[in-house]
Amino acid sequence: AAGVIQSPRHLIKEKRETATLKCYPIPRHDTVYWYQQGPGQDPQFLISFYEKMQSDKGSIPDRFSAQQFSDYHSELNMSSLELGDSALYFCASRRGGRAHEQFFGPGTRLTVL
Amino acid sequence: AQKITQTQPGMFVQEKEAVTLDCTYDTSDPSYGLFWYKQPSSGEMIFLIYQGSYDQQNATEGRYSLNFQKARKSANLVISASQLGDSAMYFCAMREERAYGQNFVFGPGTRLSVLP
Repeated sequence: AAGVIQSPRHLIKEKRETATLKCYPIPRHDTVYWYQQGPGQDPQFLISFYEKMQSDKGSIPDRFSAQQFSDYHSELNMSSLELGDSALYFCASRRGGRAHEQFFGPGTRLTVL
Repeated sequence: AQKITQTQPGMFVQEKEAVTLDCTYDTSDPSYGLFWYKQPSSGEMIFLIYQGSYDQQNATEGRYSLNFQKARKSANLVISASQLGDSAMYFCAMREERAYGQNFVFGPGTRLSVLP
């Protein structure tokens, strides 16, 4: 079965650079969630989209922005990267309505040097 | 305030025995969902089980069952017949319904180690 795809899987950036993470949800899933998981931490919700509109916002810094495109894939744009942005970034997708499960992608490991 | 509490940072269990991982939550919303996820050392997040706030029966999925005590706001995960492959980090999570969407929050996690 198709799963959530995230690219790239690993990314190394310098401080103050920008990064773009991509997420391709499971087909027919209309909701996308982004999470940030620091080393040894629990995942922190960043932002979510439903039908290409932002549906909820968590602890996403102002330096980050995200959007969901017409094909339902989503991109997380991160600017002015800081050392503290080094983390595993998960995307999860869900089918709206009565579906409960969020299916997580494998994550993108971002390292900021 | 912490919305999800997992009081056991680490747990050990002997292979083939059952283990209970604790989770308590805090919400004033009548409609919410509770989830358990497993995160092995490889890093992926694996959905295990879901319990809705209005569900009358405790959720079960194979060797996983959720002991849902609504009045006590607890949603403990029970793993029966532990296997070595169950060694992982386990996160309890809650989804609250909102008019503008959903709020999804994870607990700090419990690291389970299954001993041979």
